[in-house]
Formats: sequence, structure tokens, C-alpha cells
Amino acid sequence: EVQLVESGGGLVQPGGSLRLSCAASGFTFTSYAMNWVRQAPGKGLKWVSSIIGSGGSSYYADSVKGRFTISRDNSKNTLYLQMSSLRGDDTAVYFCAREADGFDSWGQGTMVTVSS
Amino acid sequence: DIVMTQSPDSLAVSLGERATINCKSSQNVLSRSNNKNFLAWYQQKPRQPPKLLIYWASTRESGVPDRFSGSGSGTDFTLTISSLQAEDVAIYYCQQYYGIPYTFGQGTKLEIK
Repeated sequence: EVQLVESGGGLVQPGGSLRLSCAASGFTFTSYAMNWVRQAPGKGLKWVSSIIGSGGSSYYADSVKGRFTISRDNSKNTLYLQMSSLRGDDTAVYFCAREADGFDSWGQGTMVTVSS
Repeated sequence: DIVMTQSPDSLAVSLGERATINCKSSQNVLSRSNNKNFLAWYQQKPRQPPKLLIYWASTRESGVPDRFSGSGSGTDFTLTISSLQAEDVAIYYCQQYYGIPYTFGQGTKLEIK
């Protein structure tokens, strides 16, 4: 069974940093691109970032480019999102999602709140 | 960026009746290389992650009831629930995965009339 479990969310002050993790199991991790998608409270889904299976290429939404870094440790089957210079509009639930003809598996999400 | 626009924003349908949600992309999402539309539909219930229902615009994900169907090509797409069940109350999103940035529609909230 495919499982994706996010962790690392919490309350952080504006300008601060946070690292999210997504532990994957139940599939061959290196065979899939992985994504981060966020959802602000009461709002819709917004794609944040993507990384290919090897980790050799990554992509970002303009709103996070230069502030967020996606990475993966294929030896640990874990996806990361390093977030810095956080702003209030980064407040959201962050989901990791496996990419396969759409996003076919999602974690439960981890909440990030940026507030002083 | 490809903008995805759904209509309506909300919809109330009686149990057993048909529900139809539309999605329009600002650019063509049909690939000439494989003749497939890079369009997916998701269902999200409160306090749950999204669930993939349909990919390639019309292919039902494994385990999804056959009352859910997707249609359309190019820039205009439709999600149809043929006979609404109580458990179908949710927000539905379309998404294009033709190009980065991947983009979602704003969502359509489906309720029981």
C-alpha cells in the first residue's frame, strides 16, 4: 500500500524557516516524480514544487522560487521542502503527492502557520 | 501559465440525479505526441487530502465508482456524476499536468439539494 506521511509543520514567525518531510513507503520511490501542493485555510489547491525521481531536476511556483528548496533522499525514501523567508501568505496545509498520470497518491498534509 | 476555470463554483443536486462540472483551460492540454489530454479530476472531502478520480481526462482511477466519468478534449472538459450519492458531497478540482506550473481550477462545491 502506498503511504505518504508528512511532518515538520508548525508555527513560525515571518522571515523564519522550516523544513517539511514526507516519508514514502509501499512503492519504488526513485521511479516517481514527487510534488508539494499547498492549501491555504478555506482556499483551493496550489502546486508548489516538483522534483524528478533521480532528484536531478526540480521546479517551483513563482511565488516560492528563491525561498523554497525541494530535495529528496532516495536512500531514505523521503521528500523534503526547505522553506525560508516565510511570509503570512505561506500559511497553508502542505501536501506531498506522487506524480503518475496526475497526482495519484497524497499524504494527509502538515499545517504551516506563519505568524508573529 | 495555464489558467483552469471551473463552473459553476457551487452546485446543489438531488440524490440520484446527475451532476455536471465544467473545466476550461486557457491553453490546449492535448498532447500531439500521445493524443492524450493532460487533465485530471480530484475529489476533496473536509479534512481529507484530495483523491484522484480521473486522469487523461476520461480514465477512471482504480476503485472509483463508475458513476464518475470524465469527457472533453483540448480546452473544454466535464466531470459527470451520473447518479448522485450522499457520499459524493465534496469539492471537486480539475488540474492540468501538461506543463509546469501545474495548475488547478478554483474548485466546485457539490452539495445535496
